[in-house]
Amino acid sequence: RKEVEQDPGPFNVPEGATVAFNCTYSNSASQSFFWYRQDCRKEPKLLMSVYSSGNEDGRFTAQLNRASQYISLLIRDSKLSDSATYLCVVNPQGGNNRKLIWGLGTSLAVNP
Amino acid sequence: IAGITQAPTSQILAAGRRMTLRCTQDMRHNAMYWYRQDLGLGLRLIHYSNTAGTTGKGEVPDGYSVSRANTDDFPLTLASAVPSQTSVYFCASSISGGTGELFFGEGSRLTVL
Repeated sequence: RKEVEQDPGPFNVPEGATVAFNCTYSNSASQSFFWYRQDCRKEPKLLMSVYSSGNEDGRFTAQLNRASQYISLLIRDSKLSDSATYLCVVNPQGGNNRKLIWGLGTSLAVNP
Repeated sequence: IAGITQAPTSQILAAGRRMTLRCTQDMRHNAMYWYRQDLGLGLRLIHYSNTAGTTGKGEVPDGYSVSRANTDDFPLTLASAVPSQTSVYFCASSISGGTGELFFGEGSRLTVL
């Protein structure tokens, strides 16, 4: 099993749709989790941090399920501008960024 | 504008040549990182620095060196470039070495022929 695994997609959804991505991780001792967004040929940008059971920021909700070892990202009312690749990042050792494990990303295309 | 500046944005380089990718941040972040991103492999850490004057090896350090003479600058040097170093290189920083919240530069696209 890969340390961090994401469905690569692509997810094609119409504007206004609700879409959810999952990310599974193998190390049950992992302490912190993050979602980054990366536009085509651009740098990754932090979208959300998930330290406890979940986090919500406007249309975006991240949830953590420690028992099943996955985090999810829910996007409500999708916009064209949400089209991007979403990277799941896991820190198996809290407080040690050099150990961050990056998923390969899930591609989202929001269509008019 | 606060953030991270990388240079060059793109470079084609002959194998065997020496190359330095520059990275400067003005956010006074203590920690800085160099990643490479390759299709199908994701982001991989090359080197990092938790504070000025210290550096450490990441997952794929071979063929690369870094220095951290001050807080703002973190150059990455390829002593003798090889085609397998063709990649997109991202410099990043964080307030400390443990937050997990990284800020990235726009990337340097390097092609080694």
